[in-house]
Parts: sequence; structure tokens; C-alpha cells
Amino acid sequence: DVQLQESGPGLVKPSQSLSLTCTVTGYSITSDYAWNWIRQFPGNKLEWMGYISYSGSTSYNPSLKSRISITRDTSKNQFFLQLNSVTTEDTATYYCARSLFTTATYFDYWGQGTTLTVSS
Amino acid sequence: QIVLTQSPALMSASPGEKVTMTCSASSSVSYMYWYQQKPRSSPKPWIYLTSNLASGVPARFSGSGSGTSYSLTISSMEAEDAATYYCQQWSSNPPTFGGGTKLEIK
Repeated sequence: DVQLQESGPGLVKPSQSLSLTCTVTGYSITSDYAWNWIRQFPGNKLEWMGYISYSGSTSYNPSLKSRISITRDTSKNQFFLQLNSVTTEDTATYYCARSLFTTATYFDYWGQGTTLTVSS
Repeated sequence: QIVLTQSPALMSASPGEKVTMTCSASSSVSYMYWYQQKPRSSPKPWIYLTSNLASGVPARFSGSGSGTSYSLTISSMEAEDAATYYCQQWSSNPPTFGGGTKLEIK
């Protein structure tokens, strides 16, 4: 079965960069699908951040475009989120999730989420 | 981006009661997707392509709608259905989520 697992530092200081890892088991991230990052803010609003596709192409939410980068390590079947210049408003639970690499689709597998707090 | 507005934000239902919640889109979408989320868990796919139940979802759930108006219905409320439900579209980029409907059991 496909499983996704996020990992990260838990706490980041304002103005620093955050880096999160999603480790995928049970499916190769180079076979198919798009591999996404989604976050949920305190108060429960969900925001799609972006994806890296099986071929390595990326797509980002315009609201984050200047600060976000999603990359991958195919040898470890992992993909990564980097978000620069974080503020307290980036405090959220971060999920990685899989979706079809097509339009009008949804997120069929999710990780359990990792909580990130931005605070000095 | 397409804004999804869910209503009501909070509702409660008695066991056996019929429940309907709605999701309104700011522009027409091709399909709507729904997720169920319980505390301290990630969202679970619940309904896909507007009206198809995800694996393991009880048959008392149904989805319907088109254009800018979609709904999720529970024919007979059970205690295990208490959760927050989110709608989601990806007919246009970026994909967006509704604010959620929190369903409580009376």
C-alpha cells in the first residue's frame, strides 16, 4: 500500500527557511502521479502549496511562488519542500499527498502531517 | 482562484437524522471532491468525481451537484460520522478547499 511520511524540524525562527521531507513507500515517485504539499493552518484552513510530478516538473501556488521550491531525491523516493523567509503566518500542519497528474483531480493518499511552528 | 464556500460551518444531527451540507463555488467547476477529517488525523478522501464514494465509505453517504453548487448528504446520521468535511476543486489552478463543515452528533 502507498504510504507517505513527513518529517521536519518542528520549530523554525522567523526569516529562516523551512525544509520538510516526504518519504514515500509502496510506490515509486518516478512512475506516475504528482506529489504535493498541502498545509493546514490553525483554525483548519487548507492550502495547496505545490507539487512535483513523476517527471520532475513543478507547479506552485501563485501565493507562494517567490518563496517555495519542491525538489526530489529519486534514489531515496523522497520529495522535499523548501519555504524561504518564513513568518509566524507559516505556522501550520504540513501534509504531503499524492494526486493524479491531470486536471480536475484530488488527493488520494496523505501523510499523517508534521506540525511546524514559526517562532523566535 | 476559485473560492469554495461551505455551509453551514457547524451543524449537529441526531442519530438516524438526514444530513445535508453544501459547497458553493465562485465559478463553475467540473467536479467536486470531499474529504472527512477527524481530530489529530489527516483528511481522508471521501467522495470523488462529485458522486463516487471512496473505498470504505458507507453507502449512507452520497454526493451530488454541478456547476457552482454541490452537496454531501448522509441519509441516516451515525455517531461515527461526526467529523469535519471539506470540499475541494481542481478544475482550475490552484486547487482550493472549502472552509469545512463541522458535523457533531446530538
